[in-house]
Amino acid sequence: AQSVSQHNHHVILSEAASLELGCNYSYGGTVNLFWYVQYPGQHLQLLLKYFSGDPLVKGIKGFEAEFIKSKFSFNLRKPSVQWSDTAEYFCAVNAHGSARQLTFGSGTQLTVLP
Amino acid sequence: EAGVTQFPSHSVIEKGQTVTLRCDPISGHDNLYWYRRVMGKEIKFLLHFVKESKQDESGMPNNRFLAERTGGTYSTLKVQPAELEDSGVYFCASSQVPWGEQYFGPGTRLTVT
Repeated sequence: AQSVSQHNHHVILSEAASLELGCNYSYGGTVNLFWYVQYPGQHLQLLLKYFSGDPLVKGIKGFEAEFIKSKFSFNLRKPSVQWSDTAEYFCAVNAHGSARQLTFGSGTQLTVLP
Repeated sequence: EAGVTQFPSHSVIEKGQTVTLRCDPISGHDNLYWYRRVMGKEIKFLLHFVKESKQDESGMPNNRFLAERTGGTYSTLKVQPAELEDSGVYFCASSQVPWGEQYFGPGTRLTVT
């Protein structure tokens, strides 16, 4: 069974700081990778996804993530955060094969100070 | 296009009572998933429907949980009888294809007292 680790439970940054949230997964086969975000009072929404091809994926709102297969990692980055990026961020994996559900990390709460 | 909707948004019930949660997926999405997040923990898979059939229910905690998807449209998740450890946020998601992007509803926050 696959698992996902998000190493940072709570990150606090000032506006304009750079962001990198770590995500590692354990699964030996082919995976699809996702980052979801949940803004306060809103539902989970997709930030970006990786299925195949260029390992550097660009998403909405200036976010990007890089898939490094050798490290089983899919870290989320943003060069300059804004107050409106305050939210909880979830990394998720969907393994090819019989399992179709998403396996989530425990989430990272990002607080951006104005 | 309407998103995934869930009802109710909040439910507070006493231990031993029954609660039914409803999910309406995006129209045309054959795949419907239920997930749960217990406070402070990760979001965990409960089960997956393809149309009206249960494709995978390996995440269902026990037989107090019963999920149905009538006619391949909306789905219900019944908890009977509810226990304290059932408290959490129950999410529903839908997708067009099994490995594709899943669209999430706002969740139902269930509190069992």
